Amino acid sequence: GENVEQHPSTLSVQEGDSAVIKCTYSDSASNYFPWYKQELGKRPQLIIDIRSNVGEKKDQRIAVTLNKTAKHFSLHITETQPEDSAVYFCAALNQAGTALIFGKGTTLSVSS
Amino acid sequence: KAGVTQTPRYLIKTRGQQVTLSCSPISGHRSVSWYQQTPGQGLQFLFEYFSETQRNKGNFPGRFSGRQFSNSRSEMNVSTLELGDSALYLCASSLVYGNTGELFFGEGSRLTVL
Repeated sequence: GENVEQHPSTLSVQEGDSAVIKCTYSDSASNYFPWYKQELGKRPQLIIDIRSNVGEKKDQRIAVTLNKTAKHFSLHITETQPEDSAVYFCAALNQAGTALIFGKGTTLSVSS
Repeated sequence: KAGVTQTPRYLIKTRGQQVTLSCSPISGHRSVSWYQQTPGQGLQFLFEYFSETQRNKGNFPGRFSGRQFSNSRSEMNVSTLELGDSALYLCASSLVYGNTGELFFGEGSRLTVL
């Protein structure tokens, strides 16, 4: 079935370091890949997304890259700050183009 | 503009009971999706309603159902509760159908089944 694998499940970095989270998806027809951030006790919020017609998208310290051939996409956070600490979820649109399949999340901890 | 509102925020039920959760989307949003979030499992899609019709459904048993009203507010119902139904239930509204655009999540309804 449709599946999104996300790695690592936990990631600890020092403030100022970079963090990379990787996801692979199973359905080659997927064409929309958003990333959501969920701070402790709060609702998930979209931080960046990418569609299959581009290979990279950047928004300040956050970037997402997409490799459709390999069916994987990654979130890159540069110059991490303590407020980046949260659970990050990747997602891919399912084959029918009707629902998001989420990864299981990565808990990012940024220590100062 | 008010965000997505979910009620109740917390509830405790016992096995075999049923529960109804409510979601009020952002004004103007006609799509409401429901997700189940459990520790270590991420978010799993339950169903989406658009213009009062269930458009898409995830891989959950028939005990999970929902509906949407003409004002776009949505409810989801779980009947014959099981221990494994304990989870945070999130609803999300969107301007577009099919989860192809930004989802605006509510804070969730945390259900505990004893």
